[in-house]
Amino acid sequence: EDKVVQSPLSLVVHEGDTVTLNCSYEVTNFRSLLWYKQEKKAPTFLFMLTSSGIEKKSGRLSSILDKKELFSILNITATQTGDSAVYLCAGKNAGGTSYGKLTFGQGTILTVHP
Amino acid sequence: GAGVSQTPSNKVTEKGKYVELRCDPISGHTALYWYRQSLGQGPEFLIYFQGTGAADDSGLPNDRFFAVRPEGSVSTLKIQRTERGDSAVYLCASSRNSGSSYNEQFFGPGTRLTVL
Repeated sequence: EDKVVQSPLSLVVHEGDTVTLNCSYEVTNFRSLLWYKQEKKAPTFLFMLTSSGIEKKSGRLSSILDKKELFSILNITATQTGDSAVYLCAGKNAGGTSYGKLTFGQGTILTVHP
Repeated sequence: GAGVSQTPSNKVTEKGKYVELRCDPISGHTALYWYRQSLGQGPEFLIYFQGTGAADDSGLPNDRFFAVRPEGSVSTLKIQRTERGDSAVYLCASSRNSGSSYNEQFFGPGTRLTVL
């Protein structure tokens, strides 16, 4: 059974801090690893990582994938209160009838205090 | 439309009733997914449509759950004889074409179902 585990489950920091969120995965026919930010209901897409060792960046957020260790991290530098959300990582399946299916981790709740 | 839309945004029903949840994907997206998210958990896969057909329904928990997508666009998730354990947020996502597994999935705002 496919499994994605995130850590920590929750994190409380102050504005300006840097955080690292972790994601480990075991996904059959793995294709890519996705990160989403969920503030209210709809998860919003952040990154999709397919190749090992290539960092993806968007402003203060960056992410990297290690396909040998089955691991990904999401970094947020100079955190702001608007970064407070649940961060979800998901492994994408690329095989057979499960094409494109996402297996999500339980999420990391990030709280940024002013 | 500009994004994935779902209706209703909230649904409260009584145990044993039948409910329908609707998803309107992004125009032109051929792949559509339903997920269920319980409090404090990540979304769990329910079913995936490629066009009109359900390509993978392995995540549906039991035969009370059924989904259709008759014209390859709007999809309806149907739950019969609802139980309190069905209470959750039901999320729908669409992507351009799962044939290229590099396409990301865009999520709708979800329907919060509460079964009393």
